[in-house]
Amino acid sequence: KQEVTQIPAALSVPEGENLVLNCSFTDSAIYNLQWFRQDPGKGLTSLLLIQSSQREQTSGRLNASLDKSSGRSTLYIAASQPGDSATYLCAVIGNDMRFGAGTRLTVKP
Amino acid sequence: GAGVSQTPSNKVTEKGKYVELRCDPISGHTALYWYRQSLGQGPEFLIYFQGTGAADDSGLPNDRFFAVRPEGSVSTLKIQRTERGDSAVYLCASSLQSGSKAFFGPGTRLTVL
Repeated sequence: KQEVTQIPAALSVPEGENLVLNCSFTDSAIYNLQWFRQDPGKGLTSLLLIQSSQREQTSGRLNASLDKSSGRSTLYIAASQPGDSATYLCAVIGNDMRFGAGTRLTVKP
Repeated sequence: GAGVSQTPSNKVTEKGKYVELRCDPISGHTALYWYRQSLGQGPEFLIYFQGTGAADDSGLPNDRFFAVRPEGSVSTLKIQRTERGDSAVYLCASSLQSGSKAFFGPGTRLTVL
């Protein structure tokens, strides 16, 4: 069974900082890895999808990397803004889709 | 429709009652997933359909939970003899095929009194 771990569980940073969120998984036989954002009381919004053959994917200030062999992915957020405050979830997609517990990010003005 | 929809958005029921939660995936999506999310936790996998069949139901917590997808589109999650511990947000997602990008619905908030 795929186990997904996200570190840290919570992170608080001042506005403008660059930051890295980590996701690790136990079974490297995956198709894709997808990062989501979830605002309090809301559903999940897809941020980035990295296919297993890719190493990086970028969208605006977000950059996600994937090292399948070591079971790791990172989400890099550049020049963080208060509007980035949310919970960030990684989902590992193999024959099913398993989530980590998320990193709760607070960006202070 | 344009996205994944779930009905009802909120459901309040009494302990011991039966509930059905509905998910309408994006048209043409063959893969459909159900999750349960408690406050402060990540989504907990329940069941995954590929077409009409349950490809993986290992996440269903016990035999009070059952899900169907008879025509390979709409899915219904059924919970019998609800317990207070079943209270959570139930999320549904669909993807074009197994392994491709997943899209989530807004969820159904279930409260068991």
